[in-house]
Amino acid sequence: DSGVTQTPKHLITATGQRVTLRCSPRSGDLSVYWYQQSLDQGLQFLIQYYNGEERAKGNILERFSAQQFPDLHSELNLSSLELGDSALYFCASSPRQGLQETQYFGPGTRLLVL
Amino acid sequence: AQTVTQSQPEMSVQEAETVTLSCTYDTSESDYYLFWYKQPPSRQMILVIRQEAYKQQNATENRFSVNFQKAAKSFSLKISDSQLGDAAMYFCAYPTGTASKLTFGTGTRLQVTL
Repeated sequence: DSGVTQTPKHLITATGQRVTLRCSPRSGDLSVYWYQQSLDQGLQFLIQYYNGEERAKGNILERFSAQQFPDLHSELNLSSLELGDSALYFCASSPRQGLQETQYFGPGTRLLVL
Repeated sequence: AQTVTQSQPEMSVQEAETVTLSCTYDTSESDYYLFWYKQPPSRQMILVIRQEAYKQQNATENRFSVNFQKAAKSFSLKISDSQLGDAAMYFCAYPTGTASKLTFGTGTRLQVTL
């Protein structure tokens, strides 16, 4: 158990809908990362927050947004869902940000868009 | 572009034998960590081992060890005394950018046979 929690574990929804994925980082970790794992794209970085502030964006679609709250939990919002958004979404956390930090991953949320 | 190359899409090892998974990367940084993550059928991302690039000594974690060649930018994972539970996808990764997002290789699927 990494100490990172993600809810829900599974999500099945329809095209055009909106969903929210939730992540609670390890106790004391200030940095939260979101990654998407799809069959054809592998593991892709989406966005990173540090102590409530957005610090970096990767290949995140405009239909997707995220935020980190004062208690450091984070939410990833996916809207106007398309079939291609079906993927495994991971949250990872680390104490700070830097090249000498270790990211610990949550169990992931499996999203299926029908 | 920052890249991670895992040239072995699939590997097979017999139980109790040793196997080495290869990884090469490309970074201009001098101090950084390198990681191997394991993804079993449950799809969780589990940290296997990490290497600090400024340390010459290769990291070891029980049956897992690395062969780190900084000048060659090579970071292979050796699994000794392979067990059935080692069967999984293995990803090599390293952090890049100010946000230290992880860049992943495409993975090596390890099969363990009796």
